[in-house]
Amino acid sequence: DTGVSQDPRHKITKRGQNVTFRCDPISEHNRLYWYRQTLGQGPEFLTYFQNEAQLEKSRLLSDRFSAERPKGSFSTLEIQRTEQGDSAMYLCASSLGRQGRAYEQYFGPGTRLTVT
Amino acid sequence: EDKVVQSPLSLVVHEGDTVTLNCSYEVTNFRSLLWYKQEKKAPTFLFMLTSSGIEKKSGRLSSILDKKELFSILNITATQTGDSAIYLCAVELSPYINTGTASKLTFGTGTRLQVTL
Repeated sequence: DTGVSQDPRHKITKRGQNVTFRCDPISEHNRLYWYRQTLGQGPEFLTYFQNEAQLEKSRLLSDRFSAERPKGSFSTLEIQRTEQGDSAMYLCASSLGRQGRAYEQYFGPGTRLTVT
Repeated sequence: EDKVVQSPLSLVVHEGDTVTLNCSYEVTNFRSLLWYKQEKKAPTFLFMLTSSGIEKKSGRLSSILDKKELFSILNITATQTGDSAIYLCAVELSPYINTGTASKLTFGTGTRLQVTL
């Protein structure tokens, strides 16, 4: 399977615990995005990497959230001191990215987080 | 604030019907509009539209963009039960005019389509 992969697919954690999710993009894609989706809503942008550089972070991303893409390949999203409001589907997407044209983003299967 | 609005919010049709889903947007620095299909998992890419008036077609699905009136439609002909899903519209902003916005997608809330026998 050469699509975007995410791990784990489901995570249940207690409030206050830290969680980390992983995303492996399509291999030739240099852009990687994290989105969050809650029930009945479309995905909301969280952050974006071009290669290893984190170029934009949404105001939705509080200081409890951190994302990395250390070698420009896979990425991790960590949530510290989880709260019940963090319960959502966390989606990763990747795309090519070259100046002058638009590229479609391809999504992974998501990690569903439940904070109890 | 950038905004993407989809209508209707939900729709129930009979197998074989034709449906039209709407997406309107108010954004600065438009670059492209994308349609995704979402079942009980991640969104699956359908179309990307960058130019007005050029229809994109894939089987029974087609889509067109009107950049003057700021909307797009997604048509599904001869619907099947397998078309039941949430259809998401998203707009990509251009990084050139405002480099701070990168190429993130701004999504609408989706149209939930149910196709019954």
